[in-house]
Amino acid sequence: KNQVEQSPQSLIILEGKNCTLQCNYTVSPFSNLRWYKQDTGRGPVSLTIMTFSENTKSNGRYTATLDADTKQSSLHITASQLSDSASYICVVSLNYGGSQGNLIFGKGTKLSVKP
Amino acid sequence: GAGVSQTPSNKVTEKGKYVELRCDPISGHTALYWYRQSLGQGPEFLIYFQGTGAADDSGLPNDRFFAVRPEGSVSTLKIQRTERGDSAVYLCASSTGPASTEAFFGQGTRLTVV
Repeated sequence: KNQVEQSPQSLIILEGKNCTLQCNYTVSPFSNLRWYKQDTGRGPVSLTIMTFSENTKSNGRYTATLDADTKQSSLHITASQLSDSASYICVVSLNYGGSQGNLIFGKGTKLSVKP
Repeated sequence: GAGVSQTPSNKVTEKGKYVELRCDPISGHTALYWYRQSLGQGPEFLIYFQGTGAADDSGLPNDRFFAVRPEGSVSTLKIQRTERGDSAVYLCASSTGPASTEAFFGQGTRLTVV
């Protein structure tokens, strides 16, 4: 069964600190993996997109890694800011022709950044 | 339009009533998705359209839920005989096609059944 699991479920950190969110997946055939940020009451917004051959991709203070062999990804946030408080959702995409429109969602990690 | 637009942004309805939720995808996007997100959870797949047809509706929880996309653009999610358990945020997303590398989301419709 195609699944995406994220950990931790929730996380509280102090402003300025770094943190790392984890994503494990069992999805086949794999196409790409995305991390989305979802602010409360808003739709998810894409942070990074990684294909099978990419190991690391950065977007400002966000750095995503992908290990396609172990089927694991992480999202590292550097020098956290209060505005980073949100849910971070890992989404794995099946190859063309997959069911469900090829997007498999994790349940998300709720990050709270405190002053 | 510039982005995916969903209306209304909030909807409160009484148990047993019928509701319609609308999604305007990005112009030219052929793929359209509906998801349901309960509090503290990730989005759960409901239905996926490629053009006018529902390519996969396996996520619809029961026959009270139905969605259409008659002209391959705007989509309407319809819920009959609403129940309190239907309360959630309903998200719509669109992409250029099934092999697209990214889907763009609307802000969602928060449905509350009282």
